[in-house]
Amino acid sequence: KNEVEQSPQNLTAQEGEFITINCSYSVGISALHWLQQHPGGGIVSLFMLSSGKKKHGRLIATINIQEKHSSLHITASHPRDSAVYICAVVGGATNKLIFGTGTLLAVQP
Amino acid sequence: DTGVSQDPRHKITKRGQNVTFRCDPISEHNRLYWYRQTLGQGPEFLTYFQNEAQLEKSRLLSDRFSAERPKGSFSTLEIQRTEQGDSAMYLCASSPATDTQYFGPGTRLTVL
Repeated sequence: KNEVEQSPQNLTAQEGEFITINCSYSVGISALHWLQQHPGGGIVSLFMLSSGKKKHGRLIATINIQEKHSSLHITASHPRDSAVYICAVVGGATNKLIFGTGTLLAVQP
Repeated sequence: DTGVSQDPRHKITKRGQNVTFRCDPISEHNRLYWYRQTLGQGPEFLTYFQNEAQLEKSRLLSDRFSAERPKGSFSTLEIQRTEQGDSAMYLCASSPATDTQYFGPGTRLTVL
């Protein structure tokens, strides 16, 4: 069993829909990242959170430390949101990231 | 551009050849990470440097792999006697003394 599990693996939505991507982890962490990866490879950090909720524009990330669960929400989705969204937890003394397998999101116009 | 840079962006090589990748972190970031991402998977940790010291290596890093960070600035990752299974995206990330990591664009390796 992977230490970081994401669901769904693939998600297709219509423009304007509310999207939720879930992440569960089984290890102790100091923080959790939500990352975005576009075709070609570049990874951008969207959020880093260790408790509660953060909001940036149409993106909202929440984390429940007790339940070891985090969610990424996208409101009013747009085709430009199409990308792979990856959950990663910060683990160990070196703060290395342990990644989920990613969620491939396609938002259709 | 003051972000993390990686060179080359793409590398095609024949099985058995040696390859070397370079990562230039954000200036003054003392932490540097290498990750590997195969198609359809999330990245996996390879190795970590704090300044010039290599403090952690994954068991994924076989003896054909070696990484250095001389003087605590840029880093190189060398793969000797490449195998087709080494084909992947190799990602570098740097970090100040916090949890935030900043990723480079990656080097895509194809081993024929």
